[in-house]
Amino acid sequence: DVKVTQSSRYLVKRTGEKVFLECVQDMDHENMFWYRQDPGLGLRLIYFSYDVKMKEKGDIPEGYSVSREKKERFSLILESASTNQTSMYLCASSLGVRATNEKLFFGSGTQLSVL
Amino acid sequence: QQQVKQSPQSLIVQKGGISIINCAYENTAFDYFPWYQQFPGKGPALLIAIRPDVSEKKEGRFTISFNKSAKQFSLHIMDSQPGDSATYFCAPTRSRKLTFGTGTRLQVTL
Repeated sequence: DVKVTQSSRYLVKRTGEKVFLECVQDMDHENMFWYRQDPGLGLRLIYFSYDVKMKEKGDIPEGYSVSREKKERFSLILESASTNQTSMYLCASSLGVRATNEKLFFGSGTQLSVL
Repeated sequence: QQQVKQSPQSLIVQKGGISIINCAYENTAFDYFPWYQQFPGKGPALLIAIRPDVSEKKEGRFTISFNKSAKQFSLHIMDSQPGDSATYFCAPTRSRKLTFGTGTRLQVTL
C-alpha cells in the first residue's frame, strides 16, 4: 500500500513564526499536493508539484510556499504564520502520467493551530 | 469558488436505508468523477469513481450515477451500515487536478 507520511499530527505555532510541514511518500509517485481542510469549505488546493523542483500554485497559494528537492518529499512552508492559517493540512500524492486515473493517496493530516 | 456544489451538508440515515449524496459541477472539461470517503482523524480515501462515457457504476453497496447533460453525479449507498458513517466528498477531476466539494457528513443510526 502507498504510504503518505506527514511529519506532525498536531502543531502549535505563534503568529509570525515560519512553519514547515513535511510530507514523504514511499511509492515513487510523480505528483504531490498540499490541501487545507476547513469545516464547510471542503478541501482547497494550496500548491502542487508534478516533478522534482517543479511547483504550481493551486487555488489558495497566498501566504504559502513549497519545496520539492527530492521526488518523495514535498514541504509546505508558511513564511509568517497568521491566525487565519489555523487549519488541517493534508498532503497527497498520485502516480502521475503513467496512470489512467488520478487516484490521490492522502496522509493523515497535520492540525495546525496558530496562536 | 462555486465550481462544485455538493448536497446535502449532512445526512442521517437508519441502518439498512439508502444514503444519497449529490454533486453538481459547472466545468464541462472535467473527465473523471470520484467520490472520497473520510473517517475522523484520517485523510480522505478513494471510494468509487466513474468516467463520463458511462452513466452508472456499481461496486458492492456503492453506486455512482452520472448525468452528463445535467452536469451532476451522485453517490448511492445501499443497505447503509453504521461503519459507513463518515464524511464524503465529490472531487471532479481534470488534468490531474481535483476540485473537491464541501463534503457531506453521513451518520448511520442503529
